[in-house]
Amino acid sequence: AQSVTQLGSHVSVSEGALVLLRCNYSSSVPPYLFWYVQYPNQGLQLLLKYTSAATLVKGINGFEAEFKKSETSFHLTKPSAHMSDAAEYFCAVMNNAGNMLTFGGGTRLMVKP
Amino acid sequence: ETGVTQTPRHLVMGMTNKKSLKCEQHLGHNAMYWYKQSAKKPLELMFVYNFKEQTENNSVPSRFSPECPNSSHLFLHLHTLQPEDSALYLCASSQDGRRTEAFFGQGTRLTVV
Repeated sequence: AQSVTQLGSHVSVSEGALVLLRCNYSSSVPPYLFWYVQYPNQGLQLLLKYTSAATLVKGINGFEAEFKKSETSFHLTKPSAHMSDAAEYFCAVMNNAGNMLTFGGGTRLMVKP
Repeated sequence: ETGVTQTPRHLVMGMTNKKSLKCEQHLGHNAMYWYKQSAKKPLELMFVYNFKEQTENNSVPSRFSPECPNSSHLFLHLHTLQPEDSALYLCASSQDGRRTEAFFGQGTRLTVV
C-alpha cells in the first residue's frame, strides 16, 4: 500500500519569502511522485513530477522539488513567494500498476503582502 | 483549456432526484477517473476505467453508478444521494494508466439538499 503525508495543512509566508511545503511518502516500490496545485473553484493542475530520473525536479511557476530516498521525502520549494501562489497544494504517489494516484491531505498556502 | 471538461460545474439536487455528471477528455487518453473531494478530507479515488473497462471501484456506494461508453467520455449517475455526498467531484484522465500524470477537469460542485 502507498500513502502520502503532507505536514502542515496551512502554511503562511510573506511575499518574497521562501516557500517550503513538506511531503513524505510510503511506497514498497520505487515511487512515481507528483505535486499538483488547486486554485479556488478549479481542478488540479500538475506542477511537477518525479519518475526516477533526476532527483531535483523543476516545475512550472518557479517551483521545484527534490526526491530524497533516504528521507522518503519529496518537498516542494520556491525561492520567492508571489501573491498568485496562494492556493492548495497536493502531493501524490502513483501505484505500481499505474492506475491509482494516492493524494496527501493537501496544504493551503497563504501569501501575505 | 485543460483538455478535460466537466459539466455541469454546479449542481443542486434533492435526495430523491436522479442526475448525471459528464466528463469529456480531448487528450487521446485511455484511462479515466472519478475523484471525490470533500471539505477537510483527502481526495478520494472512486472509480478507474482503462480502455472503457472498469478496473477500480474503491468501495463506492451503489447510489453512484459510473458509465464509460468510450475512452473519451465518462459519466457518473447519481440517485438517492445523501447530504454527506455533497462535494466537489473531479474527473481525470491519463495515458494508458501506466504511471503517468493525470489531467484533471475543473470539477462539479454538488450540493445535496
